Amino acid sequence: EADIYQTPRYLVIGTGKKITLECSQTMGHDKMYWYQQDPGMELHLIHYSYGVNSTEKGDLSSESTVSRIRTEHFPLTLESARPSHTSQYLCASSEYQSSYTFGSGTRLTVV
Amino acid sequence: KNEVEQSPQNLTAQEGEFITINCSYSVGISALHWLQQHPGGGIVSLFMLSSGKKKHGRLIATINIQEKHSSLHITASHPRDSAVYICAAPLIIQGAQKLVFGQGTRLTINP
Repeated sequence: EADIYQTPRYLVIGTGKKITLECSQTMGHDKMYWYQQDPGMELHLIHYSYGVNSTEKGDLSSESTVSRIRTEHFPLTLESARPSHTSQYLCASSEYQSSYTFGSGTRLTVV
Repeated sequence: KNEVEQSPQNLTAQEGEFITINCSYSVGISALHWLQQHPGGGIVSLFMLSSGKKKHGRLIATINIQEKHSSLHITASHPRDSAVYICAAPLIIQGAQKLVFGQGTRLTINP
């Protein structure tokens, strides 16, 4: 049973559109993460948050932005989608250093 | 060199075979995760272990802290076990907690 929810599951959108990928967790975790994964490749951290009003860039440079206004909600936004943004985006949360829960991912295709 | 290394990268076996996937890490860690990613992309956490052995159904995970090595075993493998298996270690990098992923092992079980 998933305690972290990502929507949409799949998204096909045209170039130049603004999109927001949603991620919500019901566990009260302070730490949340966004990972990007190209097909057949490793996951790369693009954003993380240690709590409300705290956001940081990850290891992989990304044109996306995130916000953390509520503990349970960590949306990712692309102001102007491009084909290079086509990828899978995975959200995760953790309570302490060693416990992580992952969402089911959003597979984004920009045409 | 990645802090977390997996082998093999690809593994094909026949149904019923005993499967072993290895993970080595180069730094001290408090725990190690084994994750499963199906073709749909979502990630499921299989195990989090900090010592010894854990078993869940046909899956067994072991870790040797001194040797910095962990293994994931699948007994009586089945085609539905076909997936990418990823080991990941939570590390403190530049003062921030980050999950470092292995490259993944793509497992295919043929009927």
